[in-house]
Amino acid sequence: DAKTTQPNSMESNEEEPVHLPCNHSTISGTDYIHWYRQLPSQGPEYVIHGLTSNVNNRMASLAIAEDRKSSTLILHRATLRDAAVYYCILRLRGNLIFGKGTKLSVKP
Amino acid sequence: DAGVIQSPRHEVTEMGQEVTLRCKPISGHDYLFWYRQTMMRGLELLIYFNNNVPIDDSGMPEDRFSAKMPNASFSTLKIQPSEPRDSAVYFCASSFVPSGYNEQFFGPGTRLTVL
Repeated sequence: DAKTTQPNSMESNEEEPVHLPCNHSTISGTDYIHWYRQLPSQGPEYVIHGLTSNVNNRMASLAIAEDRKSSTLILHRATLRDAAVYYCILRLRGNLIFGKGTKLSVKP
Repeated sequence: DAGVIQSPRHEVTEMGQEVTLRCKPISGHDYLFWYRQTMMRGLELLIYFNNNVPIDDSGMPEDRFSAKMPNASFSTLKIQPSEPRDSAVYFCASSFVPSGYNEQFFGPGTRLTVL
């Protein structure tokens, strides 16, 4: 599986948008881009995924660069409950390979 | 649906003892995954099953670890004998793969401490 690079940590203020970047320069044409997050003391949970086009769901938006070598997870209004580790994962089929992710802190 | 169910939630045992972790996947899901999470190594995939058949066990650390899935609604991960370095949080996840894409649903995890 291709590798992803994410910042170790980021901070945000409550009710402000958050942009979490992910670089995946070795992505192949059929790799899906997945985002999961892990709240403290919980298992990971699915956030969003995409292939080429930008995607929106009730939790977040995913912006994918035209060359697909990077993507950005957008939380439109961060809440304290969004404090978690966010994982950007490339997956073709089968299993997910988790990296270290980005630890997001949200300040009130 | 109750989600993925794991038991026990916490397990404390002594080195050398056998440990069995249990998982009930979401009904209808055809993939089941076992992960281990430690501070040092993060989240690692140990093994996964498709339709109760083990597909990839290359992440299983050594012969002390074994996993079974006797039916679609139950899986076990066994460590025998356990060692202190096995202390970790073990997660089970399941998914349904209609067309190659899968969203994995994770259980709450079992926190294992081996003294």
